[in-house]
Amino acid sequence: GENVEQHPSTLSVQEGDSAVIKCTYSDSASNYFPWYKQELGKRPQLIIDIRSNVGEKKDQRIAVTLNKTAKHFSLHITETQPEDSAVYFCAASWDTGRRALTFGSGTRLQVQP
Amino acid sequence: EPEVTQTPSHQVTQMGQEVILRCVPISNHLYFYWYRQILGQKVEFLVSFYNNEISEKSEIFDDQFSVERPDGSNFTLKIRSTKLEDSAMYFCASRGGAGLDQFFGPGTRLTVL
Repeated sequence: GENVEQHPSTLSVQEGDSAVIKCTYSDSASNYFPWYKQELGKRPQLIIDIRSNVGEKKDQRIAVTLNKTAKHFSLHITETQPEDSAVYFCAASWDTGRRALTFGSGTRLQVQP
Repeated sequence: EPEVTQTPSHQVTQMGQEVILRCVPISNHLYFYWYRQILGQKVEFLVSFYNNEISEKSEIFDDQFSVERPDGSNFTLKIRSTKLEDSAMYFCASRGGAGLDQFFGPGTRLTVL
């Protein structure tokens, strides 16, 4: 089955700096890669996703890149703000057949004001 | 904006007891999921449900677990005889027919004593 590795496990940045979280996946059939933000005690919230037919997608301060050959994808947050502090999970799935999400282990992002 | 809802928010039970966790998916969604998250760990897939039957389940989803959509709006997860290691946050998620995005409920924290 699919296995998703996520790094780093914790990340501390100064407000205004950029943050990058990286994931790798094992199943070359995976072609849908969402990112979820989870604040303490809350539900995971979908913040951005990318399909394997594109290499990059941007939404304001958030961008995601995908390297299908290397089976890597990354989340980039620019101009970080204290409210970006949360745990971020990457995930992988297929868009045909089984569509359950396989999650990475999470990155705790702390933005220092 | 429609959201997935779950009840109860917190359930405390004795080992060996049966529990039923309830979810109301987004009304026009067709695919339903249960995930669990042990404290401080990643989100893990349990089961997916489509067209009134299980479409996929993980190794975690053994004979002690069952799911049901009893009335066209609720989606339930039953654990027949709870174990200490079942203590976790249980998330329900739903997805529309064409989209890939899964939307999570707020979770039920299950504590088995």
